[in-house]
Amino acid sequence: SYELTQPPSVSVSPGQTARITCSGDALPKKFAYWYQQKSGQAPVLLIYDDSKRPPGIPERFSGSSSGTRATLTLSGAQVEDEADYYCYSIDSSGKQWVFGGGTKLAVL
Amino acid sequence: EVQLVQSGAEVRKPGESLKISCKASGYSFTSFWIGWVRQVPGKGLEWMGNIYPGDSDTRYSPSFQGQVTISADTSTRTAYLHWSSLKASDTALYFCARSQDPAFVDSYFDYWGQGTLVTVSS
Repeated sequence: SYELTQPPSVSVSPGQTARITCSGDALPKKFAYWYQQKSGQAPVLLIYDDSKRPPGIPERFSGSSSGTRATLTLSGAQVEDEADYYCYSIDSSGKQWVFGGGTKLAVL
Repeated sequence: EVQLVQSGAEVRKPGESLKISCKASGYSFTSFWIGWVRQVPGKGLEWMGNIYPGDSDTRYSPSFQGQVTISADTSTRTAYLHWSSLKASDTALYFCARSQDPAFVDSYFDYWGQGTLVTVSS
């Protein structure tokens, strides 16, 4: 079955830039989506269609995709951005949606 | 305002059945997919399946096909997740979520319910 691969953890100092990657064979032809989940809460959509931000999402969050890798970039990380981040996409057949394993972002 | 309100926490024994619910409001219930996502304590998100209430078209993740049943009642604007025989490994937090597009291949989730904790223990 289809898999999306993320690093388990990423650390960043406050004010610096963090990048979280997501690798999947279908990403050259399928969009990537990114969700933020803070402890005990429902996920929140951060990025859709590789690089678009929904209303209300801070500009410091951005997304990009190239080849088999999608990237979530957090520019100017804040302590409040500590959370788990998940990429989400559909397989090449268009039948199965999949989440990446998640990346725990530490801001310290 | 789009809202998804899920039913409360449940505790069941192995082998028992269970149906949890997700009541939608603030949009055309029959026009968008609703999905279910599992989160085992301390683990990541897993897509279980989606249903299109307009025609009851239901798609399952291979990992959950045959293990659960997803349904929807358009008269009450409610989606359901049903187990006929629970296992201890079904213990998890379950989220419902709405997709923003009627096309399954574009049906990522934009709004989420608050989650329902299901505990299965003898």
